[in-house]
Amino acid sequence: GQQLNQSPQSMFIQEGEDVSMNCTSSSIFNTWLWYKQDPGEGPVLLIALYKAGELTSNGRLTAQFGITRKDSFLNISASIPSDVGIYFCAGFGLDSGGSNYKLTFGKGTLLTVNP
Amino acid sequence: NAGVTQTPKFRVLKTGQSMTLLCAQDMNHEYMYWYRQDPGMGLRLIHYSVGEGTTAKGEVPDGYNVSRLKKQNFLLGLESAAPSQTSVYFCASRMRLAGGHNEQFFGPGTRLTVL
Repeated sequence: GQQLNQSPQSMFIQEGEDVSMNCTSSSIFNTWLWYKQDPGEGPVLLIALYKAGELTSNGRLTAQFGITRKDSFLNISASIPSDVGIYFCAGFGLDSGGSNYKLTFGKGTLLTVNP
Repeated sequence: NAGVTQTPKFRVLKTGQSMTLLCAQDMNHEYMYWYRQDPGMGLRLIHYSVGEGTTAKGEVPDGYNVSRLKKQNFLLGLESAAPSQTSVYFCASRMRLAGGHNEQFFGPGTRLTVL
């Protein structure tokens, strides 16, 4: 079945540093989504990407939809303490049967920001 | 809009007890999903629904049942709870595929402990 490899699994950075994380897949997706999950909360959608090569920003966050449609990255610039949380990528595409669309999730990147 | 809401937020059950988790969305979304989130396992799809009156199995459906009697509600039932069902449960919804906009939104979660 479809699998997403998200890396790194965790990051520990200093406030003000930039952060980059990425997801790769063996399957093609037609949408990439990036979520953030705070402790004790549900995932919140940060950025949605719909076209190969698309680069989209949301404040200090920038994400890109890879040209091959099999990867995506998320950058956070000038990190602040409230950026702490788990970041998930998710790819939307046809399932292994080829008849239904499904969302496949990465395992997440745990980000810790040291003030 | 309240978005996706879940009740209850927390619950403790004894082995063998039953309960129903309620998910409601006010975005008129066609698709609704139930996931469970466990440490190191990421988000795993339990059941989903592509419309009122329809349900389908996800990756880990055993021990759960669902119903979608109304478009805005998606119920997850545990008929005989087991300690292996201790987890955080998330409901999610999205609109029917249209113009490539496949944004999926999550509820705040239900934390279930089975003793």
